[in-house]
Amino acid sequence: DIVMTQSPDSLVVSLGERATINCKSSQNVLYSSNNKNYLAWYQQKPGQSPKLLIYRASTRESGVPDRFSGSGSGTDFTLTISSLRAEDVAVYYCQQYYSPPYSFGQGTKLEIK
Amino acid sequence: QVQLQESGPGLVKPSETLSLTCTVSGGSISTYYWSWIRQPPGKGLEWIGYIYSSGRSINYNPTLKSRVTILADTSKNEFSLKLDSVTAADTAVYYCARALDGFDYYFDFWGQGTLVTVSS
Repeated sequence: DIVMTQSPDSLVVSLGERATINCKSSQNVLYSSNNKNYLAWYQQKPGQSPKLLIYRASTRESGVPDRFSGSGSGTDFTLTISSLRAEDVAVYYCQQYYSPPYSFGQGTKLEIK
Repeated sequence: QVQLQESGPGLVKPSETLSLTCTVSGGSISTYYWSWIRQPPGKGLEWIGYIYSSGRSINYNPTLKSRVTILADTSKNEFSLKLDSVTAADTAVYYCARALDGFDYYFDFWGQGTLVTVSS
């Protein structure tokens, strides 16, 4: 099974500053036949269900603000929020869908300084 | 716009069976992949399993496989989860969610979730 590990577990960032969350998979999630990374990012606000932000490591879901971006390949990935807004306070999860059982990182809690 | 809504008992006794239903509107469950995911209070997300095309393909998380059954009812446009022999460790918010296909298995639509507590 693929284990997903996020860092840090929590992050405190000032409004308008950049927030960076890392995700590492225990195995490669790059599908060589199509050169796609099978990695997604979600945002979960308190009391809400997760919301898809990014899929294929770097493709923003429709309607997601462009301050959210994803990067990385293979086993190491990053979610970046370029200029933090108050509404971005949430827990962020990465998920691999390269092979079942599909697994999530433990989550990174993002707070405002 | 696809909408998913979980329903079922919020309290289940230890050793009994947890049963939940996810009703889908705005799209047919005959296409796409439909999953159950759970989240213990204050913890992370765990994928339970999926069903595709009314059962043509089913896949369960091996950690739960011996206790889980996922079924689909296309006439009602809903799918269900049964988890046998529950313990306190099965206390969680249970979500149903949609994935596009067998390759792009990320979850683009989620239900609001339903809390199931296992307690006598």
